[in-house]
Amino acid sequence: DTAVSQTPKYLVTQMGNDKSIKCEQNLGHDTMYWYKQDSKKFLKIMFSYNNKELIINETVPNRFSPKSPDKAHLNLHINSLELGDSAVYFCASSQLAKTGANGYTFGSGTRLTVV
Amino acid sequence: QKEVEQNSGPLSVPEGAIASLNCTYSDRGSQSFFWYRQYSGKSPELIMSIYSNGDKEDGRFTAQLNKASQYVSLLIRDSQPSDSATYLCAVPPRGGYNKLIFGAGTRLAVHP
Repeated sequence: DTAVSQTPKYLVTQMGNDKSIKCEQNLGHDTMYWYKQDSKKFLKIMFSYNNKELIINETVPNRFSPKSPDKAHLNLHINSLELGDSAVYFCASSQLAKTGANGYTFGSGTRLTVV
Repeated sequence: QKEVEQNSGPLSVPEGAIASLNCTYSDRGSQSFFWYRQYSGKSPELIMSIYSNGDKEDGRFTAQLNKASQYVSLLIRDSQPSDSATYLCAVPPRGGYNKLIFGAGTRLAVHP
């Protein structure tokens, strides 16, 4: 009954490979996100989707391509992986509110290591 | 100036003391403020949200907001070793309800 689930939890791959991370939420939220947490633990937004539509794309290299087949799923595909892509990637969801932001529920994270 | 600033710490407090964590933000139009706790190797967990000036209490946690000073704080009373974690302040920009900007986090260490 996990609220936001991500797979895989760990991903070790070589430079130049292509990999995907999957995320699913069962909270009925309408907005999903991808955040990247680097080695200094700084959390930075990458993408945000609302009801399957991309609403935020933060200066992320176009090697990163998110896809949302429905509002409960948001996947992240990364092409031509580079060493600098090594980080923990968190999926999150929230219910968008016109009166102000709601807190997010985060998935458990995917630790990506590019060697 | 960073959008959300926190002292990285570590903040070390003895068990039973009050831990005070501070956060300043740059966008005067921000309306919502959040505190997350992140244990090492785990995901951030929402512990407090505050929307109005003043104090909001939830168990041992109190969030304090001063919009005029663009300052939000988190007090943890009767600190326990299990409170040792990184505490992240998060603020959406004005009108940016679909985006939270996180501070770098303050690492709290509660020692017995």
